[in-house]
Amino acid sequence: SYVLTQAPSVSVAPGETARIPCGGDNIETKNVHWYQQQPGQAPIVVISYDSDRPSGIPERFSGSNSGNTATLTISRVEVGDEADYYCQVWDSSRDHWVFGGGTKLTVL
Amino acid sequence: VQLVESGGGLIQPGGSLTLSCAASGFTVSGHFLTWVRQAPGKGLEWVSILYSGGDTYYADSVKGRFTISRDTSKNTVYLQMNTVSAADTAVYYCTRQDVRGIVFQYWGRGTLVTVSS
Repeated sequence: SYVLTQAPSVSVAPGETARIPCGGDNIETKNVHWYQQQPGQAPIVVISYDSDRPSGIPERFSGSNSGNTATLTISRVEVGDEADYYCQVWDSSRDHWVFGGGTKLTVL
Repeated sequence: VQLVESGGGLIQPGGSLTLSCAASGFTVSGHFLTWVRQAPGKGLEWVSILYSGGDTYYADSVKGRFTISRDTSKNTVYLQMNTVSAADTAVYYCTRQDVRGIVFQYWGRGTLVTVSS
């Protein structure tokens, strides 16, 4: 089965840029989606189809996908961005949906 | 679009439970509906999907034990859980896919299932 690998945690100072990687075998051939989950809340989509930003998501959020790594980039990080972030793909070979293990973003 | 889960609670190992997801703002027969779960302090895990055409798929961890279904007259999706174990303890979220059927665009608030004796 397809596996997505995420670092458990990333720390960044306010105003800096956070980069959250998501590794997968030849992941560039798949569409990657990113979800933000605040404590005690349901996840929301922040980036879909590698780099599309849903309405209402700040322009500070962007995504890229190349080779074996997809990356969620958050520019000018704010305290309110502190959350868990999950990458996700569709494994078409099995009709299964796969999530990465999640990355906790800490804003110092 | 709104999704409201219910039916969670405390259940003994080996028991059965059925979760419900009441949908509003759209028809369940016209969209892909999915259950995603999250064990306490853990990450997200896809559980099952019900395609608009009726096909269903399950994660290996629940295949043969869980069944996803819908009642179009009630505009509700269900997850029947059988032979549960402690590993099934989690918040269960009902989600609706986007129009392309890939992204979990809409989420409910979740319902907690605790498996314990």
